[in-house]
Amino acid sequence: KAGVTQTPRYLIKTRGQQVTLSCSPISGHRSVSWYQQTPGQGLQFLFEYFSETQRNKGNFPGRFSGRQFSNSRSEMNVSTLELGDSALYLCASSLQGVGEKLFFGSGTQLSVL
Amino acid sequence: GESVGLHLPTLSVQEGDNSIINCAYSNSASDYFIWYKQESGKGPQFIIDIRSNMDKRQGQRVTVLLNKTVKHLSLQIAATQPGDSAVYFCAEISKAAGNKLTFGGGTRVLVKP
Repeated sequence: KAGVTQTPRYLIKTRGQQVTLSCSPISGHRSVSWYQQTPGQGLQFLFEYFSETQRNKGNFPGRFSGRQFSNSRSEMNVSTLELGDSALYLCASSLQGVGEKLFFGSGTQLSVL
Repeated sequence: GESVGLHLPTLSVQEGDNSIINCAYSNSASDYFIWYKQESGKGPQFIIDIRSNMDKRQGQRVTVLLNKTVKHLSLQIAATQPGDSAVYFCAEISKAAGNKLTFGGGTRVLVKP
């Protein structure tokens, strides 16, 4: 069974731009959650989607958004990028939600210049 | 690329010795706890989990201990191997808090041959 796939692996953007990251979950998994990882703040929960609906959201500004498609694939978008948005963005999938074993992708490393 | 904190607490352990990684969690209402391992350039990988109605759970070479009185979680790795070198994160979830997943800051484990 293929694991969680995130694309692209690396991304370089400039301040003010927007970016869209993609996540393909393990087949059969309906929950996709997103996380930001930085040296200063560690791993922080962004949001969770289940059956195309956002079910849970962390404490991030509205510039961070996401969506989930009918095939469970998910995208997250960050608008008006700031230098502080430079981070590794991880997505994870599971059968039913974050309250069970999560399978993580390798992440998208975003650098904002 | 490197995705974890530059100033993580580090545990150096001799190959073959046992390792103990500690985690203090914040929410007394948390009811599910997980340990993840993250190797350089990869996403976190599930190691073991425990529900709040248990105080100990064993897996293959790993044991998780939960002390709810002092809000403390520990991961014991028996006969530590070079492949155990990684950053280890504890995570907690509280249904009462809306199932938001909160990660600890992480501990870097270095196994010396």
